[in-house]
Amino acid sequence: QSALTQPRSVSGSPGQSVTISCTGTSSDVGGYNYVSWYQQHPGKVPKLMIYDVSKRPSGVPERFSGSKSGNTASLTISGLQAEDEADYYCCSYAGSYVIFGGGTKLTVL
Amino acid sequence: QIQLVQSGGEVKKPGASVKVSCKASGYTSTSYSFTWVRQAPGQGLEWVGWISAYNGNTKYAQNLQGRVTVTTDTSTGTAYMELWSLRSDDTAAYYCATASIYGVYGFDVWGQGTMVTVSS
Repeated sequence: QSALTQPRSVSGSPGQSVTISCTGTSSDVGGYNYVSWYQQHPGKVPKLMIYDVSKRPSGVPERFSGSKSGNTASLTISGLQAEDEADYYCCSYAGSYVIFGGGTKLTVL
Repeated sequence: QIQLVQSGGEVKKPGASVKVSCKASGYTSTSYSFTWVRQAPGQGLEWVGWISAYNGNTKYAQNLQGRVTVTTDTSTGTAYMELWSLRSDDTAAYYCATASIYGVYGFDVWGQGTMVTVSS
């Protein structure tokens, strides 16, 4: 049960777009359409941003979108805003367990 | 809207056990499965285990198998996570979470977290 692979950090300027990748295997990301993404600000509880690969919960801005190709899922944030600066974690169902990515720190320059 | 309220922080010695509770409120259905996630200081999220509200089936992280048990009391809407033989690397904030309306694995409701500190 190794963690899904995410870049440790990404950055972008306000208004730009950034994409965070999440690479797994055919046993997790590639095998199920159950990838979710969580945003976590320092000292706060994780917040669901995307579920079932590309679905957005009520209240999450349309700027956040999710996709998947093969064993890699992606979270794209368009029109970056200062409040998007946070840690982001991907998560995937893997048949008999759930696995998280190592997390990506997003810095808004 | 369901809310999850967890028990308070704990300080334990190595080798001891800890039991964290997670009480659900503000809902009308007892059909919520509970997931437990932990986060060591400065580290990422780690899935701990899960219990089905429908049949009580449980699943656990491989690295914690044999040391962790997740249970639920459907009469009170409370889930529990018990961890035995505590080690210093079990020091973490432990969160309970549930997927209330977003599929089965969209964990949209989280408890506030319970800090468990393991120290001699």
